[in-house]
Amino acid sequence: AQSVAQPEDQVNVAEGNPLTVKCTYSVSGNPYLFWYVQYPNRGLQFLLKYITGDNLVKGSYGFEAEFNKSQTSFHLKKPSALVSDSALYFCAVRDIGGNNRLAFGKGNQVVVIP
Amino acid sequence: SAVISQKPSRDICQRGTSLTIQCQVDSQVTMMFWYRQQPGQSLTLIATANQGSEATYESGFVIDKFPISRPNLTFSTLTVSNMSPEDSSIYLCSALDTNYGYTFGSGTRLTVV
Repeated sequence: AQSVAQPEDQVNVAEGNPLTVKCTYSVSGNPYLFWYVQYPNRGLQFLLKYITGDNLVKGSYGFEAEFNKSQTSFHLKKPSALVSDSALYFCAVRDIGGNNRLAFGKGNQVVVIP
Repeated sequence: SAVISQKPSRDICQRGTSLTIQCQVDSQVTMMFWYRQQPGQSLTLIATANQGSEATYESGFVIDKFPISRPNLTFSTLTVSNMSPEDSSIYLCSALDTNYGYTFGSGTRLTVV
C-alpha cells in the first residue's frame, strides 16, 4: 500500500525564517503527492500537488515543494514564514491500489514564533 | 476545483442517538470519501461513497454503524448510528474531481455526551 511519513511532530520557526516540513513516501509506481493545511476548527485546504512534470511545484500562499525521487521525499517549503502560517500540515499520497483514496501522514504542527 | 458545503458544522448529541452529516458539491465529481479525524490527529478513511451502490468500507468500519448514501454525483450523507462518546470526533467529506483535485468539506465536529 502507498504511504507517507512525516517524521517530525512539531516544527518551530521564527517569523521571517525559512520553513520546511518534511515528508517521505513509499509507493509502487509513480506517486501522486499532495500537501494540505488545516487551521483550527477548519477543514483541509489544498496547498499543492505533484503528479508529473517539474520536480519543483509551486502552490498557494507562497509554499512550494520539491519532489525528489532518489530520496523518496516531497518536503514542503516556504522562504519566509509568517505567524499566520501556524497550522497543522498534512502530506498525502494517492493510493493507486485503493480506489483513489488519499493516505495521509500523521501531520505536523507548525508554530511560527513572532 | 470543486467546493463542498458540509453540514452541520458541529453538534452535541446524546448517546444512543444518530446524526446524519450532509455534503453537497457544487459540481459533479467522480468520487466522494468520508474521513474521521481526532482533534490534532491525522485523517482515517471511513469509506468511499459510491454513486448508486453500496459504499466501500475500510477495515474497522461497518455499514450498520456508518451508513452512507450517495444518490447522485454531487451529494452524499454519512450517518453515525447509535452513538457513544467514543464517536466524538471530526468528520470530513472529500471529493475527487477529474484533475486529481481532492477537495474537503469544512468538517463536522461531533461531541457525544
